[in-house]
Amino acid sequence: SQQGEEDPQALSIQEGENATMNCSYKTSINNLQWYRQNSGRGLVHLILIRSNEREKHSGRLRVTLDTSKKSSSLLITASRAADTASYFCATDDNQGGKLIFGQGTELSVKP
Amino acid sequence: DAGVIQSPRHEVTEMGQEVTLRCKPISGHDYLFWYRQTMMRGLELLIYFNNNVPIDDSGMPEDRFSAKMPNASFSTLKIQPSEPRDSAVYFCASSLSLSASRDEQFFGPGTRLTVL
Repeated sequence: SQQGEEDPQALSIQEGENATMNCSYKTSINNLQWYRQNSGRGLVHLILIRSNEREKHSGRLRVTLDTSKKSSSLLITASRAADTASYFCATDDNQGGKLIFGQGTELSVKP
Repeated sequence: DAGVIQSPRHEVTEMGQEVTLRCKPISGHDYLFWYRQTMMRGLELLIYFNNNVPIDDSGMPEDRFSAKMPNASFSTLKIQPSEPRDSAVYFCASSLSLSASRDEQFFGPGTRLTVL
């Protein structure tokens, strides 16, 4: 069963703009992770936020988590063409920790 | 470290043939995962191992799929016989521990399988 679902499915912005992607999930979680996938490549871990955290930063990335709404957002500030990729949220199944991935948001940053 | 290594990177085969995908996890990682990615179903977990032992194979689609991990540095995913609907990108990933609170998963580059 799918746990995380990203929104929007696709996002196109200009270089320098901010990009915001959202993730909703269904059951309680221990943690939520965000991954990036460049075309033709494997997924790369970006950031992890624990269920008792509300916000986390890493470079140009800002992640928020609202457990009451079962949602998370990933903000990429001052986007670059190199940020063009698909972004996935992943949540644990609250039983053993295996990750369940959403369908992803396809981000296109135009130079 | 070279990261997770998968081979082959691309595989084209005919329906009915046996396909074997290979994975070498990062040294020292206790967990190994096999995923399948398609446009229709996204990224699906097929099976994962802990210390070479299969823990959860509930994602394996059917008996035509089998996975083994004979030692800590090698795993295979086999499809026999293959069907066109098996066409997908298959990823192998490894992590230090299963707890998502501690460890990220490291993905290989994937094997793009096309079954004609």
